[in-house]
Amino acid sequence: AQKVTQAQTEISVVEKEDVTLDCVYETRDTTYYLFWYKQPPSGELVFLIRRNSFDEQNEISGRYSWNFQKSTSSFNFTITASQVVDSAVYFCALRDNTDKLIFGTGTRLQVFP
Amino acid sequence: GAGVSQSPRYKVAKRGQDVALRCDPISGHVSLFWYQQALGQGPEFLTYFQNEAQLDKSGLPSDRFFAERPEGSVSTLKIQRTQQEDSAVYLCASSLGRATTIPEAFFGQGTRLTVV
Repeated sequence: AQKVTQAQTEISVVEKEDVTLDCVYETRDTTYYLFWYKQPPSGELVFLIRRNSFDEQNEISGRYSWNFQKSTSSFNFTITASQVVDSAVYFCALRDNTDKLIFGTGTRLQVFP
Repeated sequence: GAGVSQSPRYKVAKRGQDVALRCDPISGHVSLFWYQQALGQGPEFLTYFQNEAQLDKSGLPSDRFFAERPEGSVSTLKIQRTQQEDSAVYLCASSLGRATTIPEAFFGQGTRLTVV
């Protein structure tokens, strides 16, 4: 069965701290995609990054970085030097071979000034 | 438009009333998805269209829920005889489809349905 687990329900940090959001997935498919989405208070899910199962290269985009490890079925997301504007709920998602997204339960990040 | 557009943004329905939620996907996007998001939860899959064909409706919670996309563009999610447990945010997403190198789905702002 396909499943995404985000064990951290809520994380609070002070501005400029680094924070890592964990994501563990389960799938029997050999080809799949993993995603991170951000959901600010306005409610819209904003696409952040995509990784396919054949590409384990880690990626850095500004203050954001992602660590994909197939050996541990994890796709963790790190925000460096967090800012108040990073406060949101972050969702990890898995796209299986049927094209639909399976989401985790989300991690609420609160960044305090 | 540039993004996925959903209307209305907010809907209050009396229990037993029928509602219709509209989704206007990104132009050219083949795939369209509906998700239901309860408070404090992640989005749960409801149904999926490829053009006008409804390929998967396994997530629809009951036969009171019905979705259509008759011309392969705009989609409507209809809920008949609404009940309190239907209260949630309904999210629509669209993507270019499976056979592309851009598989990510883009979401609208959602319709918050409150059944009283």
